Amino acid sequence: RKEVEQDPGPFNVPEGATVAFNCTYSNSASQSFFWYRQDCRKEPKLLMSVYSSGNEDGRFTAQLNRASQYISLLIRDSKLSDSATYLCVVNRANQAGTALIFGKGTTLSVSS
Amino acid sequence: SQTIHQWPATLVQPVGSPLSLECTVEGTSNPNLYWYRQAAGRGLQLLFYSVGIGQISSEVPQNLSASRPQDRQFILSSKKLLLSDSGFYLCAWNNPAMSSYNSPLHFGNGTRLTVT
Repeated sequence: RKEVEQDPGPFNVPEGATVAFNCTYSNSASQSFFWYRQDCRKEPKLLMSVYSSGNEDGRFTAQLNRASQYISLLIRDSKLSDSATYLCVVNRANQAGTALIFGKGTTLSVSS
Repeated sequence: SQTIHQWPATLVQPVGSPLSLECTVEGTSNPNLYWYRQAAGRGLQLLFYSVGIGQISSEVPQNLSASRPQDRQFILSSKKLLLSDSGFYLCAWNNPAMSSYNSPLHFGNGTRLTVT
């Protein structure tokens, strides 16, 4: 099983839709979880950290399910500008703050 | 505030030539430093990370190497490039002194390497 796995998509949704991405990780001892956004041919940018209790930032909600070893990202009221690749990031277990492993990303395309 | 500089932005090199990519971080001390590579249409692959001067962890065996001669300087090198080394190389840092929730990676702008 890969360390971090994501459905590559693409997810094609209309403006205003709600869309959710999941990401699974293999090591139950992982402690740090993040969602990044990457636009075409650009460096990834931090979207949000994922806290144990779940957290929200505007239209974005992140959740962590330790028992099932997955994290999720929910985007409400999708905008055209949300079109991008969303990357799930998990730390290598027992090395908090060191090796951070990326999933291959889920591509979102929002259309008008 | 902290900044990360990575250069060059683009590079075209022939097969068999050497490579040196440099990355520097400003505004922080003793950062963790990382090199990632993203091949065309693929995910980010962790190549090397460093928790201190002279301390390098290699993730995959390949013809690349990394060095950290100074606290905030991270260099990616190769003696002889292969066609398969083409890709988007990204340097990143995070702060080991912060809690895990608050130590996300901050990326440089990347170097797009084409080996011909």
